[in-house]
Amino acid sequence: DIQMTQSPSSLPASLGDRVTITCRASQDIGNHLRWFQQKPGKSPRLMIYGATNLAAGVPSRFSGSRSGSDYSLTINSLESEDMAIYYCLQHNEYPPYTFGAGTKLELK
Amino acid sequence: EVQLVESGGGLVQPGRSVKLSCAASGFTFSHFYMAWVRQAPTKGLEWVASISSGGRDTFYRDSVKGRFTISRDNAQNTLYLQMDSLRSEDTATYYCTRLDFWGQGVMVTVSS
Repeated sequence: DIQMTQSPSSLPASLGDRVTITCRASQDIGNHLRWFQQKPGKSPRLMIYGATNLAAGVPSRFSGSRSGSDYSLTINSLESEDMAIYYCLQHNEYPPYTFGAGTKLELK
Repeated sequence: EVQLVESGGGLVQPGRSVKLSCAASGFTFSHFYMAWVRQAPTKGLEWVASISSGGRDTFYRDSVKGRFTISRDNAQNTLYLQMDSLRSEDTATYYCTRLDFWGQGVMVTVSS
C-alpha cells in the first residue's frame, strides 16, 4: 500500500506568516493528491485537488505544489480562520487510498 | 447544492452489526465513485471503503475486509455501509464522501 508521510505534525505560527505543510508519497501517485482542512467538530473541507488546483470558494492565499514525490500545501499571510488540522490524501488510480497523519496549525 | 446525510449510527455491542446509510442529493449520484471514511476520537482520517459508480467494484481497507460491505442504490441515491462483527477499534465517526464533498458524519460506538 502507498504510504503518505506528512510533516510537521504540529505547526505553531503567527498571523500573517507563510507556512508550508508537506506530504511525501512512498510510490508514484502522479497528481492524485488532495488537501483537506478540518476544524474541531466539523467535516473535512476540500482545499486543493489534483495537487495544485484550488477548490471552489477557497481563498487564494492557499496553494498546492509538487516536487517529485513531495507535495506541499502553502498558506500565505495566515489568518485566524486558517487554524485547523490539515490532511493530505492520495487517491491513486485504485484504492486503497491513504491520508497523511495530519498537521495541526495553531497560533504561536 | 451537494448534500450527503448519514444515518444509522449509535451504540452497538462488540460482535454485533449496524448498517449506515447516506442520502445523497444535489448531484447525479450514479455518476460518482463514493466512499466511507472514518475518524476515531481524537485521531486522524482513515479511508474505509469505496464503491464504483455502478456498484460493481468495491474496495476495502484490510482491517475491515470480510466484516464490512459497501453498497449503493442508485435509484434511491443512497450509499450504505453494512458493518458486521464489530470491534472496539471500529469506534469512530463515519463520513460518507465523494472525496470532495463530505457528510456531517455519524458516530458509531462499539462497547459492551
